Amino acid sequence: DAGVTQSPTHLIKTRGQQVTLRCSPKSGHDTVSWYQQALGQGPQFIFQYYEEEERQRGNFPDRFSGHQFPNYSSELNVNALLLGDSALYLCASSLGLAGGWEQFFGPGTRLTVL
Amino acid sequence: DAKTTQPTSMDCAEGRAANLPCNHSTISGNEYVYWYRQIHSQGPQYIIHGLKNNETNEMASLIITEDRKSSTLILPHATLRDTAVYYCIVRSSHNTDKLIFGTGTRLQVFP
Repeated sequence: DAGVTQSPTHLIKTRGQQVTLRCSPKSGHDTVSWYQQALGQGPQFIFQYYEEEERQRGNFPDRFSGHQFPNYSSELNVNALLLGDSALYLCASSLGLAGGWEQFFGPGTRLTVL
Repeated sequence: DAKTTQPTSMDCAEGRAANLPCNHSTISGNEYVYWYRQIHSQGPQYIIHGLKNNETNEMASLIITEDRKSSTLILPHATLRDTAVYYCIVRSSHNTDKLIFGTGTRLQVFP
């Protein structure tokens, strides 16, 4: 049973560019949450998707957007990249309204903005 | 903002019990205490959670004080592989609620 997978593993972009990160949830999970983790800090919640809709959002600008597909996989898009967007981006999956108190995290995508 | 306070770092000898404290003095009656850990270069991993009773699983034990204002995560026999950052999180009872991480406790297990 595959856990949460993310791609790519590492990514290097320059300021002003756009980036798309991908996440496949754990088998049977229908809810995907995205977190940003800056170096030396704990993960910060970006947003959560359930039934292909954004259900919750953290304190992140509109440059951060997402999408969830019918197969529950998800994408995180960041436009107009800033140096401060350099971080580890984590995807977590869980069961939504059906229950499940545990969020399973993927290994993350390391984004470097130059 | 995180609703918990944890020491920045702790050391523990291999084979000994590691006791990681957490203060959550503003916890509400319907909020749970969760513990996650993050081993270097990996995503966070769920350890245990509880409401008011002590809990134990194959990884750890969670002791919550009677007034629920603090808790302790206990790793009974720490190994080198337990070296990680441990996060104590207060979370509502709604199972879709987001996790709010603080900066955690960096536990170093030494031989």
